[in-house]
Amino acid sequence: AQSVAQPEDQVNVAEGNPLTVKCTYSVSGNPYLFWYVQYPNRGLQFLLKYITGDNLVKGSYGFEAEFNKSQTSFHLKKPSALVSDSALYFCAVSLSYNTDKLIFGTGTRLQVFP
Amino acid sequence: DVKVTQSSRYLVKRTGEKVFLECVQDMDHENMFWYRQDPGLGLRLIYFSYDVKMKEKGDIPEGYSVSREKKERFSLILESASTNQTSMYLCASSTGGPYNEQFFGPGTRLTVL
Repeated sequence: AQSVAQPEDQVNVAEGNPLTVKCTYSVSGNPYLFWYVQYPNRGLQFLLKYITGDNLVKGSYGFEAEFNKSQTSFHLKKPSALVSDSALYFCAVSLSYNTDKLIFGTGTRLQVFP
Repeated sequence: DVKVTQSSRYLVKRTGEKVFLECVQDMDHENMFWYRQDPGLGLRLIYFSYDVKMKEKGDIPEGYSVSREKKERFSLILESASTNQTSMYLCASSTGGPYNEQFFGPGTRLTVL
């Protein structure tokens, strides 16, 4: 069965430090991978996606993510965290041969401390 | 910019009531989706639609129905609301293709008493 795992419910990081939010997936076939962010009392906003090509993709607000096929991972990273990055982050996957549905992870709450 | 709007931000209903949640998108997207979001469970797909009058069940369709009479509007209906349907409901839309991102509305927080 297709699935997405976000192993950490919460990640804490000090402002200015690098951050990583982890995501692993389990699908058959070639995945399309997405990261979304949800700020308090808001809907989800698209951050970035991996379709094909370069394994390192860059997105909004200085975030980037690295696709690793051998480890079936798509970790979200940022070199220097901001307090304003504190939010709920969701990883999602869709399949190249399936419908346009997304499978979402359970979310990781990022807390950046001043 | 794509805009997805939902009819209410907060809604309080009583058990057994029929509840309508409305979603409108302004970018002529083919696909529209309804999710519910619960802590620790992430987003779960209730129903989606890839064309007017077309619908497909998602992962948790029980207790819900949908209607898409116009391309820009996708309604979620709770036929007889129950307390276990208290949740955040998110609507989304996208153009066709599994590689296209979805655009989300602000959400409706529904409380069923």
